Amino acid sequence: AQSVTQLGSHVSVSEGALVLLRCNYSSSVPPYLFWYVQYPNQGLQLLLKYTSAATLVKGINGFEAEFKKSETSFHLTKPSAHMSDAAEYFCAVSDQGGSYIPTFGRGTSLIVHP
Amino acid sequence: DAGVIQSPRHEVTEMGQEVTLRCKPISGHDYLFWYRQTMMRGLELLIYFNNNVPIDDSGMPEDRFSAKMPNASFSTLKIQPSEPRDSAVYFCASSYQGARTEAFFGQGTRLTVV
Repeated sequence: AQSVTQLGSHVSVSEGALVLLRCNYSSSVPPYLFWYVQYPNQGLQLLLKYTSAATLVKGINGFEAEFKKSETSFHLTKPSAHMSDAAEYFCAVSDQGGSYIPTFGRGTSLIVHP
Repeated sequence: DAGVIQSPRHEVTEMGQEVTLRCKPISGHDYLFWYRQTMMRGLELLIYFNNNVPIDDSGMPEDRFSAKMPNASFSTLKIQPSEPRDSAVYFCASSYQGARTEAFFGQGTRLTVV
């Protein structure tokens, strides 16, 4: 079985500040990990993914995430927040053991203040 | 490719009526997922198909919900009869080879049952 926990349903930052969105997962086999972003009235779209290559993954719009097996974490960061980053962010896990169903976290709403 | 296409984008219906949501996945994708998103429950997987065959429908809330995929390019989610608690945004997503690759989401159908 696999699961995802996103710590904090809302994260508020100032424009230009560091963005850190937390994701911890549990999986009985090596995982594939994803971050998606959802803008208002839109579907989810992929930001970045980890599929057992480099542990530091770079995505679109300046976001990156680091896979830490010892901490079972896949936190999302961006050095400097922009107003356009305000959205809902979802972490998801699927496993290499054959369960092709991605499991999504509850989501974290990123609020960016001017 | 135009991406995953869902119709309608918005649906308002009266309690007790039948509602049919439609989805056209990305050509060549072999997995199709139906999700429901609400504030209370987040993103819930309702059912998924592999090569047009329903694999897991354990997320379908009750017998009022049914889903079909008659061919590789079309799927429907039907609610009959509809109830106010079914009000939500319904997403269709497709992917190729499941776990390793990301899911591509449609824009969603916002369903309101009055």
